[in-house]
Amino acid sequence: EVKLLESGGGLVQPGGSMRLSCAASGFTFTDFYMYWIRQPAGKAPEWLGFIRNKANGYTTEYNPSVKGRFTISRDNTQNMLYLQMNTLRAEDTATYYCARSLSFWGQGVMVTVSS
Amino acid sequence: DIQMTQSPSFLSASVGDRVTINCKASQNINKYLNWYQQKLGEAPKLLIYNTNNLQTGIPSRFSGSGSGTDYTLTISSLQPEDVATYFCLQHSSRPFTFGSGTKLEIK
Repeated sequence: EVKLLESGGGLVQPGGSMRLSCAASGFTFTDFYMYWIRQPAGKAPEWLGFIRNKANGYTTEYNPSVKGRFTISRDNTQNMLYLQMNTLRAEDTATYYCARSLSFWGQGVMVTVSS
Repeated sequence: DIQMTQSPSFLSASVGDRVTINCKASQNINKYLNWYQQKLGEAPKLLIYNTNNLQTGIPSRFSGSGSGTDYTLTISSLQPEDVATYFCLQHSSRPFTFGSGTKLEIK
């Protein structure tokens, strides 16, 4: 059974940093592109970026809206996906989802940026 | 960026009705269009990928069609469990972009 479990969310002050984690199980992690997507409450989701699979060299792509502030990485020995978020702003407040390809999403973790 | 215009924003229909939801892209997206269902408090779930391919485990009353800039999700016979918000996603060109959503309720 495919499982994705996000963690690491919570309250952070504007200008702060936070790292989200996503624990993957039930599939061959290195075979898949892995994505981060966020969704502010009551709004549409927003694609943040992805990290490619082993066959494509684990390279990354980002939405320009977060490029330079957010970094996606993976630990293929632990089947973990990460999202490092820096210089956080109030508008980064959202539920953050990891996803396998674009087909299976985790349950999400909430991030609130507020003083 | 490709803009996805989704309509209607809200839809109320009766059980058994045929329901259609539309997404229009600001440029040709070559059928790289997915549809997701999001029930209250849950993560989005993939229904249809690449315009017309039914994801495994999704009931056959869901179908997708379209080409170029215009795409449609159809529910052939609305069921009570279909109450949800539906989103389209284009993954033809980065940044990938979502439609604004259609909230579907039972009349």
